[in-house]
Amino acid sequence: GIQVEQSPPDLILQEGANSTLRCNFSDSVNNLQWFHQNPWGQLINLFYIPSGTKQNGRLSATTVATERYSLLYISSSQTTDSGVYFCAVDSPYSGGGADGLTFGKGTHLIIQP
Amino acid sequence: DVKVTQSSRYLVKRTGEKVFLECVQDMDHENMFWYRQDPGLGLRLIYFSYDVKMKEKGDIPEGYSVSREKKERFSLILESASTNQTSMYLCASTIRDFHNEQFFGPGTRLTVL
Repeated sequence: GIQVEQSPPDLILQEGANSTLRCNFSDSVNNLQWFHQNPWGQLINLFYIPSGTKQNGRLSATTVATERYSLLYISSSQTTDSGVYFCAVDSPYSGGGADGLTFGKGTHLIIQP
Repeated sequence: DVKVTQSSRYLVKRTGEKVFLECVQDMDHENMFWYRQDPGLGLRLIYFSYDVKMKEKGDIPEGYSVSREKKERFSLILESASTNQTSMYLCASTIRDFHNEQFFGPGTRLTVL
């Protein structure tokens, strides 16, 4: 099946800093989503971005489908940005009839005051 | 606004008990999914459903069954709970086309003693 790799696995920054999180995937995708998992475990939708660039406030994302990677940018970090960020893809080659998302292992981001 | 709810945030059960986890969405979505999340293993697809009374196995269906009697409700059933089913369970839904944005519930943290 498709492989999803996220980097870095851990990131510690001071409040106000900018950060870039990367997601590499091993095959063509129909769907790519970025999530933020809050301390209570809920996955919050950040972006649905199988290709192109989107922005939402301090967050933006770019997916270059032909080169099989996506980037999540966080500017002017706040302590509330802390948590785990997941990239997830849905491949046309999921196989086995399973069309759920395949998740990366996540980037654990800590923003210190 | 998109809303997926799960019946319990925390649940503690004993080995051998029958356990029901309920998920309800109010978006009239056709597709619903159950995932489990474990440290070091990430999120993995258990089962999904693309219509009432329809179900498909995901990557790790062993030890689980599902029920979809109404469009808005998707239940995950542990016929005889075991300690290795202690996990965080997350439900998601999306419109008919699989390759669309998935929305997640708040999760149920299940402990089997």
